[in-house]
Amino acid sequence: KAGVTQTPRYLIKTRGQQVTLSCSPISGHRSVSWYQQTPGQGLQFLFEYFSETQRNKGNFPGRFSGRQFSNSRSEMNVSTLELGDSALYLCASSPTTGFGTDTQYFGPGTRLTVL
Amino acid sequence: QQQVKQSPQSLIVQKGGISIINCAYENTAFDYFPWYQQFPGKGPALLIAIRPDVSEKKEGRFTISFNKSAKQFSLHIMDSQPGDSATYFCAARGLTGGGNKLTFGTGTQLKVEL
Repeated sequence: KAGVTQTPRYLIKTRGQQVTLSCSPISGHRSVSWYQQTPGQGLQFLFEYFSETQRNKGNFPGRFSGRQFSNSRSEMNVSTLELGDSALYLCASSPTTGFGTDTQYFGPGTRLTVL
Repeated sequence: QQQVKQSPQSLIVQKGGISIINCAYENTAFDYFPWYQQFPGKGPALLIAIRPDVSEKKEGRFTISFNKSAKQFSLHIMDSQPGDSATYFCAARGLTGGGNKLTFGTGTQLKVEL
């Protein structure tokens, strides 16, 4: 099975712009979660989508949003970019939403740099 | 409070030695505890995971020890190899069926020297 894929892998934006990141989960996985990774804050949960519905949301401002499509692919959007949004954005997929030994498998991430 | 505390921050081990990374949690509702390995420029890769009703799980050179009463768990890497040099994260997942939110520890940078 192909793993989790994320596009683009690298992105450079300027403050005030908006950005959309894409994630394709492992075939058959219906849950997609997004995480932000920075040297200062580590790995932080952004949100989870399952069957096109937001299941959980982390403590991030409303500028961070996402959606999931019927084929389980997910997009994440960040509006009005700030310098502090520079980070590695990771997508993880899982068969279901937190049952038993369901495990999340991570993609390679999108490295976002805000200038 | 949903926190996972991880130590040490960095670790240097000689080839063939045992690497030990410790984590502690506060929220007793956590129901699943995976460990991830991350190489520079890559996403975290699942290494091994355990449920709180099991005290130990071993997969190859990797073992998780789990102490439910102390709310602590640890990763042991036996016969550490230079290829194990990476950053290791412990994590905890919330209530069963309550979603896939993972709370991560702060990470341990492991270096295995020849």
